[in-house]
Amino acid sequence: GAVVSQHPSRVICKSGTSVKIECRSLDFQATTMFWYRQFPKKSLMLMATSNEGSKATYEQGVEKDKFLINHASLTLSTLTVTSAHPEDSSFYICSARDWRWTNYNEQFFGPGTRLTVL
Amino acid sequence: EDQVTQSPEALRLQEGESSSLNCSYTVSGLRGLFWYRQDPGKGPEFLFTLYSAGEEKEKERLKATLTKKESFLHITAPKPEDSATYLCAVGGATNKLIFGTGTLLAVQP
Repeated sequence: GAVVSQHPSRVICKSGTSVKIECRSLDFQATTMFWYRQFPKKSLMLMATSNEGSKATYEQGVEKDKFLINHASLTLSTLTVTSAHPEDSSFYICSARDWRWTNYNEQFFGPGTRLTVL
Repeated sequence: EDQVTQSPEALRLQEGESSSLNCSYTVSGLRGLFWYRQDPGKGPEFLFTLYSAGEEKEKERLKATLTKKESFLHITAPKPEDSATYLCAVGGATNKLIFGTGTLLAVQP
């Protein structure tokens, strides 16, 4: 149980284009999904928190117009990197949790998406 | 400010050589300390959740313990397949996870 998938696993795009990454909870309802970014040999940095049916809450320093997050259903959240530039190249990881579980903080992570912007 | 510090940054062990990883934390209103395993190019894989000081959990060769200031991940008789980065995170009153920078473990046959 508690499986989270991401698609695509790897994407290469040209500078200036937009890229959409999907995050799905496969066997539970994700009332909350999180998007993280991870640089090589660094830890996970939270970008934003999204609750189903409402607007995402972005962490300080994260441009909400550049990283568009949609959480339209209890099993799907999307992250769109708009007008991508080489500095957006990174490993993007989503996680999900169901508030009805005992531990409100427990999160399960997807396999990640490697974005390379040329 | 909530904070998590992991040590050592990297650890090299011989197969069968037991050791421990440390996770020191400060958090307002602890609502769980989490251990994850991360393989290169993959997302974190959940290992344990600890909620209160004195709690211990085990899974195969791994055992996690918790005090009011730190957690240890004990690895008993490790095998090469235990090689990975081990991440510690705490959940507090903000309901977000704060991650440490991880310990890169290499187990040599």
